[in-house]
Amino acid sequence: DAGVTQSPTHLIKTRGQHVTLRCSPISGHKSVSWYQQVLGQGPQFIFQYYEKEERGRGNFPDRFSARQFPNYSSELNVNALLLGDSALYLCASSLDRPVEAFFGQGTRLTVV
Amino acid sequence: AQSVSQHNHHVILSEAASLELGCNYSYGGTVNLFWYVQYPGQHLQLLLKYFSGDPLVKGIKGFEAEFIKSKFSFNLRKPSVQWSDTAEYFCAATGFQKLVFGTGTRLLVSP
Repeated sequence: DAGVTQSPTHLIKTRGQHVTLRCSPISGHKSVSWYQQVLGQGPQFIFQYYEKEERGRGNFPDRFSARQFPNYSSELNVNALLLGDSALYLCASSLDRPVEAFFGQGTRLTVV
Repeated sequence: AQSVSQHNHHVILSEAASLELGCNYSYGGTVNLFWYVQYPGQHLQLLLKYFSGDPLVKGIKGFEAEFIKSKFSFNLRKPSVQWSDTAEYFCAATGFQKLVFGTGTRLLVSP
């Protein structure tokens, strides 16, 4: 069974650049959530999407945006990258509410 | 504000020792509770979950957790750890929209 897939797995960007991270949920799952995991901390909620609509947003600046496509895949976009954006970005999918979420391997973003 | 706190940041045990990792939550209303595990180089995996009913929840790989509402706690236990349990463990809670995670506990089991 295909789990949650994220691409790319690793990424190095320069300060000020833009990045797009991608996520494909488990087949049949309609909800996608994004989390940021900084080294030594637990994942922090960024966004939740369900049926292409934003259902929740965490305490992140407007440089962070996301969207969900008709096939339920999702993109996370970050503009004007800062060094502090370096983290593991996790995507999680669930049937509807994120009551039981399944996580992907994550995208390791390094901003230099 | 919703929050989850894990008291132990690093735990070192010998194989066959018993494990208990603490987790406390602060949440208004109905709460669902989870323990996730992250093995080195792998993705977060669900160990066990509590939605309602029996407060003693059994998960995979011999782990269990007890929900104590009066203490706002959801501690993870395993009677006898193995070297393969070396990983980072996260307690998490959700009301509706998002999972709120604790800071995690790194467990090292020495053979």
